[in-house]
Amino acid sequence: QKEVEQDPGPLSVPEGAIVSLNCTYSNSAFQYFMWYRQYSRKGPELLMYTYSSGNKEDGRFTAQVDKSSKYISLFIRDSQPSDSATYLCAMISAYSGAGSYQLTFGKGTKLSVIP
Amino acid sequence: KAGVTQTPRYLIKTRGQQVTLSCSPISGHRSVSWYQQTPGQGLQFLFEYFSETQRNKGNFPGRFSGRQFSNSRSEMNVSTLELGDSALYLCASSLGDRGPGTEAFFGQGTRLTVV
Repeated sequence: QKEVEQDPGPLSVPEGAIVSLNCTYSNSAFQYFMWYRQYSRKGPELLMYTYSSGNKEDGRFTAQVDKSSKYISLFIRDSQPSDSATYLCAMISAYSGAGSYQLTFGKGTKLSVIP
Repeated sequence: KAGVTQTPRYLIKTRGQQVTLSCSPISGHRSVSWYQQTPGQGLQFLFEYFSETQRNKGNFPGRFSGRQFSNSRSEMNVSTLELGDSALYLCASSLGDRGPGTEAFFGQGTRLTVV
């Protein structure tokens, strides 16, 4: 079983829909959770970062972490065609404080928002 | 501010050959991390360099190696190429002396095809 599981999709939604993207993980040592967006032929870019359980909102994006269930979600409200991309969850286990860490990624979910 | 630059963008090599990829981080960033992205395995961490020293390493064979120069530019080398090494190789630069909430900026990647 991979440490981080993410449904690869593809996921196709109409413009304006609410999108829900999810990841589950097995390693209870994961403490930091991120969501990255990757457009075709581009590198990933950080969308959201959370440390604790609960919700974090940034514009149309909401990241949700449930450590007890080992489950994280990203919600996109009022989805736009420009949101069409691959969304990757990423996690970091215990951080030593020295500035060094490695990201463990899910495989990504490909999202298409249809005008 | 210039972003992360990876060269070359595309590369075709033959099995058994070796290859060197280059990454120039954002000015002022001292950490460079390398990742391999494939459809089957997703994004996997290779290694991280900080101030010319390898600080963190993923689970890849010794054929994968890297180095970092005094100007923070980094190279990764893959020797004795195998067909399975075909992938998008991404590097990410960050300050390197902050916690996981500090954004790592990814380059556009080098697409390596082994034939």
